[in-house]
Amino acid sequence: AQSVTQLGSHVSVSEGALVLLRCNYSSSVPPYLFWYVQYPNQGLQLLLKYTTGATLVKGINGFEAEFKKSETSFHLTKPSAHMSDAAEYFCAVTRQSGGSNYKLTFGKGTLLTVNP
Amino acid sequence: NAGVTQTPKFRVLKTGQSMTLLCAQDMNHEYMYWYRQDPGMGLRLIHYSVGEGTTAKGEVPDGYNVSRLKKQNFLLGLESAAPSQTSVYFCASGSSGAHPRTHEQYFGPGTRLTVT
Repeated sequence: AQSVTQLGSHVSVSEGALVLLRCNYSSSVPPYLFWYVQYPNQGLQLLLKYTTGATLVKGINGFEAEFKKSETSFHLTKPSAHMSDAAEYFCAVTRQSGGSNYKLTFGKGTLLTVNP
Repeated sequence: NAGVTQTPKFRVLKTGQSMTLLCAQDMNHEYMYWYRQDPGMGLRLIHYSVGEGTTAKGEVPDGYNVSRLKKQNFLLGLESAAPSQTSVYFCASGSSGAHPRTHEQYFGPGTRLTVT
């Protein structure tokens, strides 16, 4: 069954520092992987997704993620953190749930704190 | 274009009471989902729908019922609320034009429910 594991429930960085949020997946079939962001008191919104093709995926707000099959990873990065990046980040993988139905399975989330 | 809206935003129930959460989307999406979010647990799928008149169980369906009488609306019902159902509930819809393995989900702002 497809699933994701996010390493580190809380990551703290300084403003201007590199952001690295880790996600590893397990999947017996080619995975479809997503990163979502949740700002305080809001719903989730899509940052980026990997389906097929280029393994380096660029998303909104300067974030990108690289799909590495050999490492079963899909880590999220941003070269320089801004205060506005403080949020909770969720990695997710699509899982087939029977017939032609598919569902997202989310990781437990990583809370990113950005210090001035 | 409001996207996905949820009512109410907040609710406090006593154990044993019932209530219905309403989700509405104006994007003509076929797929709709109900999740609950609990600290350290990520998002867990309660029920989902792949089209008007259809519903299916997710990971944690017990204690909840759903209906999709109109394409744009997805209702989540709690017949007899329990303290374990204290959570934040999110509705989402999925873009119809893309394959569900890869489609982005659009989330509402959430309903914070407390059961005492």
